[in-house]
Amino acid sequence: SQQGEEDPQALSIQEGENATMNCSYKTSINNLQWYRQNSGRGLVHLILIRSNEREKHSGRLRVTLDTSKKSSSLLITASRAADTASYFCASSPTQGGSEKLVFGKGTKLTVNP
Amino acid sequence: DAGVTQSPTHLIKTRGQQVTLRCSPKSGHDTVSWYQQALGQGPQFIFQYYEEEERQRGNFPDRFSGHQFPNYSSELNVNALLLGDSALYLCASSLVTRMNTEAFFGQGTRLTVV
Repeated sequence: SQQGEEDPQALSIQEGENATMNCSYKTSINNLQWYRQNSGRGLVHLILIRSNEREKHSGRLRVTLDTSKKSSSLLITASRAADTASYFCASSPTQGGSEKLVFGKGTKLTVNP
Repeated sequence: DAGVTQSPTHLIKTRGQQVTLRCSPKSGHDTVSWYQQALGQGPQFIFQYYEEEERQRGNFPDRFSGHQFPNYSSELNVNALLLGDSALYLCASSLVTRMNTEAFFGQGTRLTVV
């Protein structure tokens, strides 16, 4: 079963606006990664945040991690039509010994020109 | 630097048949993981291979098996295909010897079972 949950399931905004997506997970983790997926094709890696980090930036992306609440957020600033895609968070549980990723169902973002 | 490559990109099979999907990891990566993504869902972990052995397995039946070769490339085999096996199959590579490294995905293989 899926461990993560993204919120909202769908988000529609205008170009230039900011988009915020949230993610929750259930067990302790080593890290959490965010991915983008266009039209059901491969996943594009966006950013990795480690369990001992609270915030990370990459270009127009800002990711936060709150391990006490088992949650993360992805902020895309000054959105563009090209940002239209599904966004997934993937947590890497500390249990299990491997670095498998546990995904949620994703947030479908639509950026209107 | 080639990223993760998967073949084929699309495949149509009949119920009961067997299928083999292939994956070449990103250069420098030693670990390959396979995921199944049903329509409208997030990817689900099938299994992970490291040093030619299955390292961890998700909640998938034995019909799903895999292999990793000495050059780190990998195959996913599915026997006795069911209609419910129709999905996008994604391969991810990473470097298990370093903690907290990014996992990079291929473009996937779209499997349709009819």
